[in-house]
This record gives sequence, structure tokens and C-alpha cells, in this order.
Amino acid sequence: EIVMTQSPATLSVSPGERATLSCRASQSVNSNLAWYQQKPGQAPRLLIYGASTRATGIPARFSGSGSGTEFTLTISSLQSEDFAVYYCQQYNDWPEGLTFGGGTKVEIK
Amino acid sequence: QLQLQESGPGLVKTSESLSLTCSVSGGSITSNGYFWGWIRQPPGQGLEWIGTVYYSGTTYYNSSLKSRVTISVDTSKNQFSLNLNSVTAADTAVYYCARLTSYFHPWGQGALITVSA
Repeated sequence: EIVMTQSPATLSVSPGERATLSCRASQSVNSNLAWYQQKPGQAPRLLIYGASTRATGIPARFSGSGSGTEFTLTISSLQSEDFAVYYCQQYNDWPEGLTFGGGTKVEIK
Repeated sequence: QLQLQESGPGLVKTSESLSLTCSVSGGSITSNGYFWGWIRQPPGQGLEWIGTVYYSGTTYYNSSLKSRVTISVDTSKNQFSLNLNSVTAADTAVYYCARLTSYFHPWGQGALITVSA
């Protein structure tokens, strides 16, 4: 099973600042990585797939990068609605072994 | 637009079976290339993939749950279902259904299932 590790667990950021979230895979997943945003009481929402492709309707301030084992989600200028928990998910082992990272909570500083 | 909605009992007794159904609207469950999956999230914790089904009935399961899980599809009702046997308190979670190609999109709103004696 491919283990996904996200860091930091919690990120404190002021509105308008940049947030950089990391996701590391225990072995290469190529570019088979997605990012999700989850707000309290809501289902996760797809932000990024293919490591860097924004899903439909996702603002340009969200960007993804990386390949292999190291990935980054960057939120260029945090808006109030961006404070949430973010998860990465690898699908290199599709369809048998889909795994998520433990999440990074982005909170208001 | 595609929408998914989970339905289930809310409360299940320890050692019994948990059954959930996901109803798909705004699109066909037989759409080529799309799979359908279940994910769960214990209170205050992260996400865990449970399993995936294709409209043909082909299934894939998380190895950690494989011995207790069955996912099935009913194309006539545009639904797919989850059955989890021998539940314990550790199975208490919000259960989500979702469409997937290999990533999950969109998701249902989720259904909280509590396992209690």
C-alpha cells in the first residue's frame, strides 16, 4: 500500500498570505495525485487532479505541482473561504489501492 | 448536473451489518469509463477508501476491509450499495459515495453511521 504523508498537520496563515501544503508518497505515484478541500460538515471537494490540473470551477489561486513522491498545493492569497482541511490522494495504484493523506488543516492566524 | 445521495439507517448494532445505498441522479450509472465508490471518515479523522464498483459489477476493495465488504450495483435503479459485516465501534463514521475515474468527483453529502451496542 502506498502511504501518503501530509505536512504540516496544521498551518496558521493570515488572510491574503500564501499557503504551501506538502504531500509525500512512500513510493512514486508519477503524476497520479489529487487534492481535495473539506470544510466542516461538508463533503470533500475536488480541487486538483493529475497533480496540477485544476478541476472545473476552482479558482486560479489554487495550484498544484510535483511528481514522483513530492507534491505541493499552493494557495496564492488565502481568502476567508479557503480555511479548511486539505487532503491529497494517490491513484497510481488504481483501481486496487487508493489512499489518502492524513490532511492539513489551514487555520486563520 | 450529477448528484449522489447516500441513504442508510443511521444507527447499527455491534456485530450486525451496515447497509447503505447511493442514489445517482442527473446522469447514468452505466456511463462508460466512470466507476462508483465508497469512502468513510471517522469523527475527527481522515478519509479512507472502502471500495469501488463498475456498472458491470466488477468490484475492487480496500485490502483492510475486504473480508467484510460487499459493494453492488443496481443499474435499473441507478444505485449502488455498500454492505459491511460484523461492525464494531471502529466502523462509526460518515460514509460518502462518489463517482470516480481514479479520483473522486463529485461526492455525496455523506451519511453518519453510528455503531453502538
